[in-house]
Amino acid sequence: GQQVMQIPQYQHVQEGEDFTTYCNSSTTLSNIQWYKQRPGGHPVFLIQLVKSGEVKKQKRLTFQFGEAKKNSSLHITATQTTDVGTYFCAGNYSGGGADGLTFGKGTHLIIQP
Amino acid sequence: DAGVTQSPTHLIKTRGQQVTLRCSPKSGHDTVSWYQQALGQGPQFIFQYYEEEERQRGNFPDRFSGHQFPNYSSELNVNALLLGDSALYLCASSTSGGNQETQYFGPGTRLLVL
Repeated sequence: GQQVMQIPQYQHVQEGEDFTTYCNSSTTLSNIQWYKQRPGGHPVFLIQLVKSGEVKKQKRLTFQFGEAKKNSSLHITATQTTDVGTYFCAGNYSGGGADGLTFGKGTHLIIQP
Repeated sequence: DAGVTQSPTHLIKTRGQQVTLRCSPKSGHDTVSWYQQALGQGPQFIFQYYEEEERQRGNFPDRFSGHQFPNYSSELNVNALLLGDSALYLCASSTSGGNQETQYFGPGTRLLVL
C-alpha cells in the first residue's frame, strides 16, 4: 500500500538551533500537507504543497516539495520553545478533492532551553 | 464561525461494547473524514463521507462504520470494541471543491477500551 516515511522520529535541539524533518513516499503524490500537533492537542494545518519543486515559506518555516513529488521537507530556522510539538507530513495520492490523507509517523521536536 | 467540533471529548468502554462518536464540520464544509490516532503514531484514515455516503475507505474492518446526516454532521460507530481500538479519534472537515482542499481537524475523542 501507499506509505509515507518520515524521519527522524525524535529530534532534540537547543533553542536557537535549526530543525529539519523529511518525508518520503514510495509513489508519486498529488500533493503533500504538513501539520503540527502540540502535546495533548490535535493536528493543525500548516501548509499544502502541490507543484513539483515547490518551496513555500512561513516566517521561520520553509517547506519544500521534491521535483519527483515523492519527498518533502520542513525546515525551521532558529527554533523557539513555541515550536515544540510533533510535525506530520500527510500525502494525498488522489487526483483531486480532499481525499483521505496518508500520514507519516511524525517527528517529535524537543527543545532544550 | 465555529470550527470542527467533536463529542464526547473522552470515553471509557469495555471490550465487546459499541461506541458512537459525533462530529460537526466547520461551517461551509460538506465533507467529513475520520482518522484514528494511536499513541505516538500518525493519524490513520478510516473513511470519508460526502453527500451522506461513504466515498473512500481506509484499511479498517467492517466493525467501523459511519453515517453522515443532511446537515453534514457525521457519526463514527465502532462495534465489538477491542483493546487495540483505544486511540484518539479525529474528525476532519473539508469542502468538495475538487481543488485539493485543506482538511480541518477537530479536537478529537479519546477512547479508552478496558
